[in-house]
Amino acid sequence: EAGVVQSPRYKIIEKKQPVAFWCNPISGHNTLYWYRQNLGQGPELLIRYENEEAVDDSQLPKDRFSAERLKGVDSTLKIQPAELGDSAVYLCASSPRQGGEKLFFGSGTQLSVL
Amino acid sequence: DAKTTQPPSMDCAEGRAANLPCNHSTISGNEYVYWYRQIHSQGPQYIIHGLKNNETNEMASLIITEDRKSSTLILPHATLRDTAVYYCIVGSGGSNYKLTFGKGTLLTVNP
Repeated sequence: EAGVVQSPRYKIIEKKQPVAFWCNPISGHNTLYWYRQNLGQGPELLIRYENEEAVDDSQLPKDRFSAERLKGVDSTLKIQPAELGDSAVYLCASSPRQGGEKLFFGSGTQLSVL
Repeated sequence: DAKTTQPPSMDCAEGRAANLPCNHSTISGNEYVYWYRQIHSQGPQYIIHGLKNNETNEMASLIITEDRKSSTLILPHATLRDTAVYYCIVGSGGSNYKLTFGKGTLLTVNP
């Protein structure tokens, strides 16, 4: 069974440019999460989806960040415009309806904003 | 969610048991204890979770004190591949399930 797939693996952009990250969760997993991990810190939740509905986006900086999960499967996280402080690893995770306490994480996208 | 306290780092000899402590003195009655680990350049990986009773699976054992204010994750025979940051997390399950990660413990397994 394929795990959570994220792309790209690495992204380097200049500040003020837009950037997008893509996530394909494990087949059949209805819950999808986006986390951000700064260097030396634990991951921080940005947004959680139940199917196509964003049920917790309280930590998402809505002035520059947006996310979507079309048809309740793949998801895209976008930053526009990017700032220097957005440099981090962006992690996607998914979990099944049964056993939802077990999250499966992708390897993340490492973003560097110059 | 209740906060957790973990030592920033620990060392363990290969083949020996690794015992990782976690304090969660403000845990409430319906909150679970979860353990994840993160190997360098990878996403976190679920290890185990429990509510009151001790739990064991193919990866580790979780010992929760009777008052539930602390717990210990035990890796019975640590290998070099167990070198990782281990996160102890307390949170509610069900539809409001939410993981809040701290800084974790960096476990280094030495040959």
